[in-house]
Order: sequence, then C-alpha cells, then structure tokens
Amino acid sequence: SQQGEEDPQALSIQEGENATMNCSYKTSINNLQWYRQNSGRGLVHLILIRSNEREKHSGRLRVTLDTSKKSSSLLITASRAADTASYFCATEIRGGFKTIFGAGTRLFVKA
Amino acid sequence: EAGVAQSPRYKIIEKRQSVAFWCNPISGHATLYWYQQILGQGPKLLIQFQNNGVVDDSQLPKDRFSAERLKGVDSTLKIQPAKLEDSAVYLCASSGSGQSNYGYTFGSGTRLTVV
Repeated sequence: SQQGEEDPQALSIQEGENATMNCSYKTSINNLQWYRQNSGRGLVHLILIRSNEREKHSGRLRVTLDTSKKSSSLLITASRAADTASYFCATEIRGGFKTIFGAGTRLFVKA
Repeated sequence: EAGVAQSPRYKIIEKRQSVAFWCNPISGHATLYWYQQILGQGPKLLIQFQNNGVVDDSQLPKDRFSAERLKGVDSTLKIQPAKLEDSAVYLCASSGSGQSNYGYTFGSGTRLTVV
C-alpha cells in the first residue's frame, strides 16, 4: 500500500472559498512535501515541511504537520479558478532518501 | 535557471517494441529520479540515482526496464519489451542532494501509450 494517502480524493468549491486537503502516512519521515499538477503537466513543488516543524506558510498556502498522528493538511485560502489541479503529498522516508507520493486530491475551483 | 528537460514529449509504440526516454536534470543537481505515473494515480518511484550510482531501484521491473546515468548528468530510461500496462507518464526529477530540503524539480514528462 502507499505511504501517503490524501483525503478527500476530489473536492469542488467556489472561487473565494478555502480548500483543505489532508494527507496521512505510515512510517517516520524526514519531511513532507506538497506538489501541484495541472492536467497533462509535470509536478510543481509547493512547500516542504520538516519533521520538526508544525506549521508553515507560503502565500495563500498553509501546511500543518502532526507527526504523532502521522498526518498533514494543506490549506489554500481564497481559492481561484487557477488553483484547479491535482495536489499530491510526498513523504521522504526516514533512514533513506526515498520520497513516496500519495494518490492525490483533485481540486476543482468554480468561477 | 533552466528546468529539467525531458524528451520525447509523447510516444506511441506497439506492445513488445522498445522505447527510450531521456532526461537532462538541472545543472549541478546530484540526485535524479525516474517516476512512473499511471492515469489517476500518484507518481511511483522507479529508480533514484546519486551522481551516477543507483540509490534505489527496488520498484524498477528489471526484466524489462533499465536506466543509466552516465557521467552523473543526463539519464536514459529504457523499456524492452513494452507491455500494455506500461502506458503512463514517465517523469524525471532532480534535486540538489539526496535529502530534498527544497523539494524536487520535475520535468514535463513523457506520455507513453502502448497499443
């Protein structure tokens, strides 16, 4: 089974609303990353949070990490139609440098 | 800085044929990764190189897939012979070190269709 699993699998919201996506993982990690993928394109790195960090911000993005629950959340505030994409969490496994991706959350922002 | 370059962008082949993909990482990036992304799924790591050495190839189907990174710069991934289930996007990524403190930079990928 995959290391990381995102929830929900799909999310549809109105422009201006906030979008929250969650990621759960199974083993200890060095860091957790979030990526965005527009249809038919490569992945774009959004934000990285280390295992000793609890919260991180970047523009309209807010990421939290709870290592005791092995979970993370990505919040996109004031969403825009251009935020429509798939969002993936990726965990770098502790003890090695292998990074494993989840199956992603498909976000659709309606104008 | 230039991004990760991949070619070709698209490839259609018949099953049992062979195919090769090429990747040129960001200059100076020591670590290079090949991922396979099947439609509707997340990327799956096939192989990871540190300079020209293999760090992890545990999920590479070695009976048909091979990869090399000569001189620790660009890399090629080959499939021979291809199967229908190999239809996917093959993504190359690079990072500055084995530990991705700043995340990976991905190329645009090669979309492979096996018919």
